[in-house]
Order: sequence, then C-alpha cells, then structure tokens
Amino acid sequence: EVQLVESGGGLVQPGSSLKLSCVASGFTFSSYNMHWIRQAPKKGLEWIALIYYDSSNKYYADSVKGRFTISRDNSKNTLYLEMNSLRSEDTAMYYCAKLGWAYYFDYWGQGVMVTVSS
Amino acid sequence: AIVLNQSPSSIIASQGEKVTITCRASSSISSNYLHWYQQKPGAFPKLVIYSTSYRASGVPSRFSGSGSGTSYSFTISRVEAEDVATYYCQQGSSNPYTFGAGTKLELK
Repeated sequence: EVQLVESGGGLVQPGSSLKLSCVASGFTFSSYNMHWIRQAPKKGLEWIALIYYDSSNKYYADSVKGRFTISRDNSKNTLYLEMNSLRSEDTAMYYCAKLGWAYYFDYWGQGVMVTVSS
Repeated sequence: AIVLNQSPSSIIASQGEKVTITCRASSSISSNYLHWYQQKPGAFPKLVIYSTSYRASGVPSRFSGSGSGTSYSFTISRVEAEDVATYYCQQGSSNPYTFGAGTKLELK
C-alpha cells in the first residue's frame, strides 16, 4: 500500500524558516518524480514544486521561487521542502504527492499545516 | 502557464440529479493530461478521472469525463449524498501543473 506521510509543520513567525518532510512507502520512491502542492484555508489547490526522481531537475511556482527548496533522499525514501522567508500568504496545508504516468497525482499525503503569523 | 477556467464555481443539486462541470484551458492540452479530483471537507484530494475519461480505481460508474483540446467536462450522472465535495480539474501537459479553481457541489 502506497503511503505518504508529511511532518514538520507548525506555527511560525513571518520571515522565519521551516522544513517539511514526506516519508514514502509502498512503491519504489527513487523511480518517481515527486511534488509539493499547497492549499490555503478555504482556497483551491496550488502546485508549488517538483523534483525529478534523480534530483536532476527541480521546478518551482513563481510564488515560492527563491524562497523554497525541494530536495529528496532516495536512501531514506524521503522528500523535503525547505521554506525560508515565510510570509502570511504561505499559510496553507502542504501536501506531498506522487506523480502518475499521465502526469496526474495518484497518491497524496494527508497534509501538514503551516501557519505563518505574528 | 496554462490557466484552467472551471465553471460553475458552485452547484446545488438534488439527489439523483445529473451535474456537469466544465474546464476550459487557455491553450490546447492533450486529452491524456487532463484529470479530475474530488476533495471532501477535511480530506486530501482524490483522483477520480484521469486522462479525460478513465475512472480511477474504485470510482463508481456514475462519474464520467469527456473533452478534447481546450474544452473538457466532468459529469455525475445521478448525484448521491456521498458526492458532496469540491471538484478540481488539473492539467499535466506542461509545467507548472495547474489546477482549476474548483467547483463546490452541495445537496439541495
């Protein structure tokens, strides 16, 4: 059974940093591109970052480019999202997601909440 | 980035009614890369339809999808109480993999 379990969220002040983790199981993690997607309270889904299966390429949404860094450790089956210079508009539920063959998100984690507030 | 215009933003339907959601892309998408998700309150999104018209595993046959090019639709043939959720289209044709704004389905 495929499982994605996020952790690392919490309440932080504007300008601070946070690092999210997503531990994967039930599939060959090192063979799949992985993504982070977020959802602000009462809002829609926003794709924010992609990392290739071998870390050879990384892509970011304009809203987080230069502040967020996606990475992975295939030996630990773990995906990361390092978030710096956090703003109130980064307040959201953050999901890690596995990409399926036709570029759909076939598995999602349960999400981790990040709240940026003074 | 490809923008997905989803409409309507909300639907109020009776049980047993047919509902249709449309998703229009700002540029043409291969039908292989247009997908639909269901998100129930407090839960993560669940893939319902992939590649325009294929139901994901375990999805009831009352859910269907169609379309091509820039115009796609998602239909629930007979709404049931358990279908109350927000539905999103998503394109995987080009990065960034954008989502529509969502359609909230409520029961009358």
